[in-house]
Amino acid sequence: KAGVTQTPRYLIKTRGQQVTLSCSPISGHRSVSWYQQTPGQGLQFLFEYFSETQRNKGNFPGRFSGRQFSNSRSEMNVSTLELGDSALYLCASSLGPGQGVYEQYFGPGTRLTVT
Amino acid sequence: AQSVTQLGSHVSVSEGALVLLRCNYSSSVPPYLFWYVQYPNQGLQLLLKYTTGATLVKGINGFEAEFKKSETSFHLTKPSAHMSDAAEYFCAVSDAGQGAQKLVFGQGTRLTINP
Repeated sequence: KAGVTQTPRYLIKTRGQQVTLSCSPISGHRSVSWYQQTPGQGLQFLFEYFSETQRNKGNFPGRFSGRQFSNSRSEMNVSTLELGDSALYLCASSLGPGQGVYEQYFGPGTRLTVT
Repeated sequence: AQSVTQLGSHVSVSEGALVLLRCNYSSSVPPYLFWYVQYPNQGLQLLLKYTTGATLVKGINGFEAEFKKSETSFHLTKPSAHMSDAAEYFCAVSDAGQGAQKLVFGQGTRLTINP
């Protein structure tokens, strides 16, 4: 079974631009969570989607948004990029709540650099 | 709110020696606890998890961890370190209500193995 895939793997953007990152979960997984990893702040939860609905949201500004499609694939968007948005963005998939299996599987991440 | 503290941002051990990575958590509800490992330029890989039941849990690559409620700890151990264990390790907490979809991570511990 294929793992979690994230595209693109690397991205360079300029301040003020916007960016969209994509995540394809493991087949059969319906929940997708996004995390930001930076040297200063560590790993921080951005949001989680299940059945096309945002279930949880972390403490990030409204410039960070996401969505999930009917095939469980998810995208996250960051508008008006700032230098501080440079980070590794990780996507994780799981079966979803109520399934009795509490494991998230992470993709390799998208490395975003804002210049 | 939940939180995780990993004692020691860097740990160095000799090959063949005991590995002990410390994790303390704070949670107002029964926690689910996880250890993940991250190799350079990769995503996170689940080593082991505690949800309910037996407090000593065994994971992959010879690692194990013990949930101690009275000490609010979930330390990770491995009897004999191998060079391939060099990586960054993250302890994370979630709660049953979230079904482990929303993880709160510690700051990570970088493990170095000396030959």
